[in-house]
Amino acid sequence: AQKVTQAQTEISVVEKEDVTLDCVYETRDTTYYLFWYKQPPSGELVFLIRRNSFDEQNEISGRYSWNFQKSTSSFNFTITASQVVDSAVYFCALSEHYTGANSKLTFGKGITLSVRP
Amino acid sequence: DTEVTQTPKHLVMGMTNKKSLKCEQHMGHRAMYWYKQKAKKPPELMFVYSYEKLSINESVPSRFSPECPNSSLLNLHLHALQPEDSALYLCASSHLTGLAGADEQFFGPGTRLTVL
Repeated sequence: AQKVTQAQTEISVVEKEDVTLDCVYETRDTTYYLFWYKQPPSGELVFLIRRNSFDEQNEISGRYSWNFQKSTSSFNFTITASQVVDSAVYFCALSEHYTGANSKLTFGKGITLSVRP
Repeated sequence: DTEVTQTPKHLVMGMTNKKSLKCEQHMGHRAMYWYKQKAKKPPELMFVYSYEKLSINESVPSRFSPECPNSSLLNLHLHALQPEDSALYLCASSHLTGLAGADEQFFGPGTRLTVL
């Protein structure tokens, strides 16, 4: 069975600090997909990134970067120069490749990030 | 149009009421999802529709009844709910690209439901 562990529950930083959100996953599949979602206080989950299991290239998008390491089953997310607007709950999620037609996500418990001015 | 809309934003209902939650997307997605999210917890999958047909039911009680009238609309009919059903109900949609598991889901803002 698949599992996603986000060991950090709450992180508080001061604006402009860098912060890394950890994600460790478990799966028996060789083909799988990893996601990060952001949930601000408004409630809507916002898709941030998808990474395929066969693509270990790290990715940078503005102040956001992701470090995917299959050797340690981790998919960590770093926010550089954090801003107050980054305050949200961040979920890491895993989807396995299977014969069904749908993307069925297993979510971690989420990390609440508070960025103070 | 790249968003999923949900109505109403808030709903308060008694245990004997019948109400419906609505979800709409115009991104051409052929998969639609209902999730339930309790406070400080991750979303829990309830139902999935693929090509307007129910494909996944995560053993949800029958007091929740989903409906997908067409590829853009998804409803969740509620009847005889319990106070423990109070939660944020999220709708999502995704493409069906054939790469099973790969399609990112796009979420609506949710309906915050309170059952008295």
